[in-house]
Amino acid sequence: QVQLQESGPGLVKPSQTLSLTCTVSGGSISSGGYYWSWICQHPGKGLEWIGYIDYSGSTYYNPSLKSRVTISVDTSKNQFSLKLSSVTAADTAVYYCARDRSDRSGGTHYFDYWGQGTLVTVSS
Amino acid sequence: QSVLTQPPSVSGAPGQRVTISCTGSSSNIGAGYDVHWYQHLPGTAPKLLIYGNINRPSGVPDRFSGSRSGTSASLAISGLQPEDEADYYCQSFDSSLSGSYVFGTGTRVTVL
Repeated sequence: QVQLQESGPGLVKPSQTLSLTCTVSGGSISSGGYYWSWICQHPGKGLEWIGYIDYSGSTYYNPSLKSRVTISVDTSKNQFSLKLSSVTAADTAVYYCARDRSDRSGGTHYFDYWGQGTLVTVSS
Repeated sequence: QSVLTQPPSVSGAPGQRVTISCTGSSSNIGAGYDVHWYQHLPGTAPKLLIYGNINRPSGVPDRFSGSRSGTSASLAISGLQPEDEADYYCQSFDSSLSGSYVFGTGTRVTVL
């Protein structure tokens, strides 16, 4: 059973960089075949996909966040990370990491395992 | 602002059938991109309910079923149970503006 766990500061000051790490257990990122995504949920709002990375470090970001997002992977630790720069109060959200997959070439990705989520508040 | 629209809420008595619609456009569902569905209880990890429009992961009861037609998709819950009270989200891909995975606006299901 794959499990994911987010970790990182729960409070970030405006204009600073939000940094979170997702630790994967029960499966190896380096085995390939999957993508690893970050998704957020702003207070009282729906879910928003942020971006994904694969085991080789290839990334794909939501165009609306692309200029501020960096996702990286550390296969030796079985972790992947999110950095979101120049944050404002609008970036306050619960951030989830998830395993991202597609059943066929060109198929639409979906998220089959999720972490519990971690609340990040942007405030001075 | 999501490009996939869902009703804010639906409700039903235990045992009843409810359906949740997910309305998109020609740049997402109408373009043939698959639709997936998630159940989310606040404070917990979202759970995959339906993938590839109609498929249930192992362990998901067959009370949950999905369909897709044209620019819309639907999730049906038959034999509604108290534990089904949760938020439900559809998800697909949108090819406009460089492309992105997108979620629906979400629907709160209330069991009366």
